[in-house]
Amino acid sequence: EDQVTQSPEALRLQEGESSSLNCSYTVSGLRGLFWYRQDPGKGPEFLFTLYSAGEEKEKERLKATLTKKESFLHITAPKPEDSATYLCAVQAGDSNYQLIWGAGTKLIIKP
Amino acid sequence: EPEVTQTPSHQVTQMGQEVILRCVPISNHLYFYWYRQILGQKVEFLVSFYNNEISEKSEIFDDQFSVERPDGSNFTLKIRSTKLEDSAMYFCASSDSPGAGQFFGPGTRLTVL
Repeated sequence: EDQVTQSPEALRLQEGESSSLNCSYTVSGLRGLFWYRQDPGKGPEFLFTLYSAGEEKEKERLKATLTKKESFLHITAPKPEDSATYLCAVQAGDSNYQLIWGAGTKLIIKP
Repeated sequence: EPEVTQTPSHQVTQMGQEVILRCVPISNHLYFYWYRQILGQKVEFLVSFYNNEISEKSEIFDDQFSVERPDGSNFTLKIRSTKLEDSAMYFCASSDSPGAGQFFGPGTRLTVL
């Protein structure tokens, strides 16, 4: 069964304290891995798509990387406005459409 | 910046009633999706839609659910006879290709009493 697991469930950092969020996946052939940001009561906001191991994408203080088993979302010198839940989702080899989601990591950045 | 819009933002209904949730996808996108998120749980795929037909659906998307693109801009999700367990946040999304990032709307919070 295709599965996506994110860790940790929650992460509290001081402003400026860099860290990484993990997304591990077990799927029957990865077509793509997606990172989203979700603020309370809002829809997921698209951040990155990664398609193959070794690929990296960057956006401001965020950098996503992909291996054959997991993806990391690195956050460098975070600010309080980076506080949100970060969701990871995968598109498996037998589907062109649906995303299979992890439970998310709730990130809190304290000033 | 183009965005997906959804109406209403909150819908309260009685068990057994029909509801229609509405979405306007990004204008040049051709692939449309519905997802739901029960409070405190993971986002779950319901259905994808392309070229005026369902391209994929999950086990959740049973005969009580239907989707329609009634005109060139709207995309709707209908629940024929709502159940208490249908209470959730429903998100519409769209993309310009099957493997590309899907852009989500703000959601409709459905409360079934």
